[in-house]
Amino acid sequence: KQEVTQIPAALSVPEGENLVLNCSFTDSAIYNLQWFRQDPGKGLTSLLLIQSSQREQTSGRLNASLDKSSGRSTLYIAASQPGDSATYLCAVPSTGGYNKLIFGAGTRLAVHP
Amino acid sequence: EAQVTQNPRYLITVTGKKLTVTCSQNMNHEYMSWYRQDPGLGLRQIYYSMNVEVTDKGDVPEGYKVSRKEKRNFPLILESPSPNQTSLYFCASSLGSVNTEAFFGQGTRLTVV
Repeated sequence: KQEVTQIPAALSVPEGENLVLNCSFTDSAIYNLQWFRQDPGKGLTSLLLIQSSQREQTSGRLNASLDKSSGRSTLYIAASQPGDSATYLCAVPSTGGYNKLIFGAGTRLAVHP
Repeated sequence: EAQVTQNPRYLITVTGKKLTVTCSQNMNHEYMSWYRQDPGLGLRQIYYSMNVEVTDKGDVPEGYKVSRKEKRNFPLILESPSPNQTSLYFCASSLGSVNTEAFFGQGTRLTVV
């Protein structure tokens, strides 16, 4: 059964720092991995989708890497800003092959000025 | 703009009063799902649909119903809501089953008293 773990659970940093958020999964037979952002009481915004054949994806100040063999993904945020404060979730499709995402518990990020 | 739209965003209701949360997507996606998010339990899938008139149970389907009469709409029905269905609900859609990006709605905060 696929399980997804995110470390750390919470992170508080001063503005301008480069950050690394970690996501690990137990079953390496994944099709892709998706990173989301969730603002308090709001929806999930898709940040990056990495296909299993890819090693990394970039969008602006965000860079996500994927190492299937070790069951890990990292989300790198460059030059963090207060507007980056949110909860970041990673998710992988269930290995059952149907339309379900298995989510990690998330990393709650606070960037203070 | 490509989006998944849920309504209402916030709802307070009483035990036993039937309600429907609507979900609509404008991306011509085949796959749609409902999730609920609870503190300490994360996101769990309630129901999913692979196409019109094709639906199936997710991990926590008890107390919920869905229908998929049109490709763009996937309403969630609570026939007799109970307090344990107080939660944050998300609708999601994707083009394919496991190897495509999932898009989520803004969420519906439901309180059952």
